[in-house]
Amino acid sequence: EAQVTQNPRYLITVTGKKLTVTCSQNMNHEYMSWYRQDPGLGLRQIYYSMNVEVTDKGDVPEGYKVSRKEKRNFPLILESPSPNQTSLYFCASKLSGTSGSYEQYFGPGTRLTVT
Amino acid sequence: AQKVTQAQTEISVVEKEDVTLDCVYETRDTTYYLFWYKQPPSGELVFLIRRNSFDEQNEISGRYSWNFQKSTSSFNFTITASQVVDSAVYFCALSVAGGTSYGKLTFGQGTILTVHP
Repeated sequence: EAQVTQNPRYLITVTGKKLTVTCSQNMNHEYMSWYRQDPGLGLRQIYYSMNVEVTDKGDVPEGYKVSRKEKRNFPLILESPSPNQTSLYFCASKLSGTSGSYEQYFGPGTRLTVT
Repeated sequence: AQKVTQAQTEISVVEKEDVTLDCVYETRDTTYYLFWYKQPPSGELVFLIRRNSFDEQNEISGRYSWNFQKSTSSFNFTITASQVVDSAVYFCALSVAGGTSYGKLTFGQGTILTVHP
């Protein structure tokens, strides 16, 4: 089954404790991206990757890191989480890395709470 | 920069009513793509439709229909004969053809639709 998977689905952590949210897709998509969803703000892009070893900042990259060493994986790293990073996080992928066309397919979401 | 506005924060209807969700977008690009996504209470984001800026044909899929009008920069979504299972948050989104925003989806704030039995 074609899908985007994320782990963990739920995470409660404390301020400053490094964490990684994994994302994997099995569709051989070039493009992968991370979004965060906050009430009243819709979804905002954090980072994206057009292909392996090619990543760039989205609209809200502060406090996050990413890497793309393999085509299928795109982990999101929070080196020192803070309470304002409490949010619902989505990983997404789409076929082409260089076109605005093609729909993005989203993972199930990771609900992160930082206390 | 791109912008998507969904002016309706919440809509409440009774089952079998028709409901239209509004979406207005802003972009200076001449080639762009518009999307609708559904987020049911379970939380996942489900892709519904994609339209290209050069194709203004309206589309119907079962009880769902979309009206794309470039003249008013709108891409509205109508559900005919709504059902309780249509209750969800609906997002309109925009992506441009290239430039520095490769593939980025700019989302509206979302419209919460509640369909009462």
